[in-house]
Amino acid sequence: EIMMTQSPATLSVSPGERATVSCRASQSVGTNLAWYQQRPGQAPRLLIYGASLRATGIPARFSGSGSGTEFTLTISSLQSEDFEVYYCQQYNNWPLSITFGQGTRLEIK
Amino acid sequence: QVTLRESGPALVKPTQTLTLTCTFSEFSLNTAGMCVNWIRQPPGKALEWLALINWDGHKYYATSLKTRVTLSRDTSKNQVVLTMSNMEPVDTATYYCARTFHFGAAGTMDYWGRGAPVTVSS
Repeated sequence: EIMMTQSPATLSVSPGERATVSCRASQSVGTNLAWYQQRPGQAPRLLIYGASLRATGIPARFSGSGSGTEFTLTISSLQSEDFEVYYCQQYNNWPLSITFGQGTRLEIK
Repeated sequence: QVTLRESGPALVKPTQTLTLTCTFSEFSLNTAGMCVNWIRQPPGKALEWLALINWDGHKYYATSLKTRVTLSRDTSKNQVVLTMSNMEPVDTATYYCARTFHFGAAGTMDYWGRGAPVTVSS
């Protein structure tokens, strides 16, 4: 099974600044990588798929990059509503293998 | 607007079988590319993918749970049913159903239900 490791577990950033969340796969997943945002008590929301493609309705301040085993989610100019938990998900051998990272909590510095 | 809604018991006893229903609207599992997933999230913990059923009825299960999980569908009612046997306290979680459109953002889940919290306790 492909393991997904996110870092850091918690990230403290000031509003208006840039946040960068990392996700590492235990083996190459190509660009079969998605990012989700989850607010307390709510279901996850798809932000990025194909490692760098924004889902419908997602603001341009969210961007994704990477391929193979190293991926990054960048949120430029943080807004108050961005301080949530973020998960990466690989789907390289879909639908036989779907795994999530352990999550990164973005908190206000 | 696509919606999904999970329903089922909030409390089950150890060793019992859990049955959850996902009722969805504004898409059909008869449409090529459409899939419904089940994902769970223990309190304060990460997401775990459990299973998927696709438009032609094929089912896929997480390796760690494949002996305990079964999916079925009723396309006339727009429903997918998850059953999980031999429930244990570690299975306490919020259970979500979510849609994948294979010919869209393939492999990802673009619409989710609000989740059904399930507690396993005697």
